Amino acid sequence: KQEVTQIPAALSVPEGENLVLNCSFTDSAIYNLQWFRQDPGKGLTSLLLIQSSQREQTSGRLNASLDKSSGRSTLYIAASQPGDSATYLCAVRRRNNLFFGTGTRLTVIP
Amino acid sequence: SQTIHQWPATLVQPVGSPLSLECTVEGTSNPNLYWYRQAAGRGLQLLFYSVGIGQISSEVPQNLSASRPQDRQFILSSKKLLLSDSGFYLCAWSVKGANGYTFGSGTRLTVV
Repeated sequence: KQEVTQIPAALSVPEGENLVLNCSFTDSAIYNLQWFRQDPGKGLTSLLLIQSSQREQTSGRLNASLDKSSGRSTLYIAASQPGDSATYLCAVRRRNNLFFGTGTRLTVIP
Repeated sequence: SQTIHQWPATLVQPVGSPLSLECTVEGTSNPNLYWYRQAAGRGLQLLFYSVGIGQISSEVPQNLSASRPQDRQFILSSKKLLLSDSGFYLCAWSVKGANGYTFGSGTRLTVV
């Protein structure tokens, strides 16, 4: 069974700092990996999608990497802003299921 | 462009009452559709998925059921709600194949 772990569970940083969120998964037989953002009481917003054949994806200040063989992904956020405060979820897709980690709650302090 | 609609946004229901949550997708055809639940302090759990009209797969035995009466409509139901059915319910869709998921805005269900 696929298990997804996210470290740290919570992170608090001052505005402007660069940061890295970590995600690990136990079964490397995945179709893709997706990073989401969830604001309190809201749905999930997709940030980046990395196919299993890809190594990284970038969107603005966000960069996600994937090392499928070691079962790891990182989400790098450059020059963090208070508006980045949210819970970040990684999820790996296998067939018709998306397996989620429990998330990292990020707080960016002005 | 594709959009996903989910309603209601919040719902408070008494134990033993029925439930119907609806999700519709626009701008795409023959999508895969999914219902997830996010319980307090826990990760998202897949409840049901559908690859076509009338085709429903259940991932977790429970008090809930799902139906897909039309290509872009997915309904989550219960005949009698339990306290343990409380949670945040999210609908999602994906294009068939190894593509990403798009989620709706969710329904906060509180069973009292």
